[in-house]
Amino acid sequence: NAGVTQTPKFRVLKTGQSMTLQCAQDMNHNSMYWYRQDPGMGLRLIYYSASEGTTDKGEVPNGYNVSRLNKREFSLRLESAAPSQTSVYFCASSYPGEAVYEQFFGPGTRLTVL
Amino acid sequence: RKEVEQDPGPFNVPEGATVAFNCTYSNSASQSFFWYRQDCRKEPKLLMSVYSSGNEDGRFTAQLNRASQYISLLIRDSKLSDSATYLCVVNVANAGGTSYGKLTFGQGTILTVHP
Repeated sequence: NAGVTQTPKFRVLKTGQSMTLQCAQDMNHNSMYWYRQDPGMGLRLIYYSASEGTTDKGEVPNGYNVSRLNKREFSLRLESAAPSQTSVYFCASSYPGEAVYEQFFGPGTRLTVL
Repeated sequence: RKEVEQDPGPFNVPEGATVAFNCTYSNSASQSFFWYRQDCRKEPKLLMSVYSSGNEDGRFTAQLNRASQYISLLIRDSKLSDSATYLCVVNVANAGGTSYGKLTFGQGTILTVHP
């Protein structure tokens, strides 16, 4: 039982490049989330998926897109990276969708955009 | 005003000390409250939920004051292993009454416990 896994762990991009951050969970959770964490800002929600087949914007969605590929996988895409997207990105999951349960986080992806 | 505010610290305390962290939240419709712990360069992990009547888990005690929109965490007999960032976390339901587990995080309070 791996919990929540994320790939890659680290990445350096140039401005304008694109990339997809992958996230998978093996806990049969309905809900999945993408956060970014910046110094002094706490974690901020980018997008979330309450259940398979649905996605919704969070607090800071601009510049990102997501895909809930199936119940296990939720990917985050940066189409044209900007230096302001330099951050640590965390994926999380929880069960079930409409109640508030513990969120389990992946180890994070450290992204630098030059 | 931030939805969830914490004193960022850092708090530097000796082993065995008692330390308290405070947190305020701005949305009176907040439903659920938590403390998460985040070790350096690691992911956040749930430390404990916070209930209206207050709750305790070993050396950790959490309190909630809905009237003042205030949450606290007390750590007694601090250990070196308690050194981490403590995140105050709040959940708010949307207009339809559901929340889909969306959480709002404070910026965190840094604790360092020294020998």
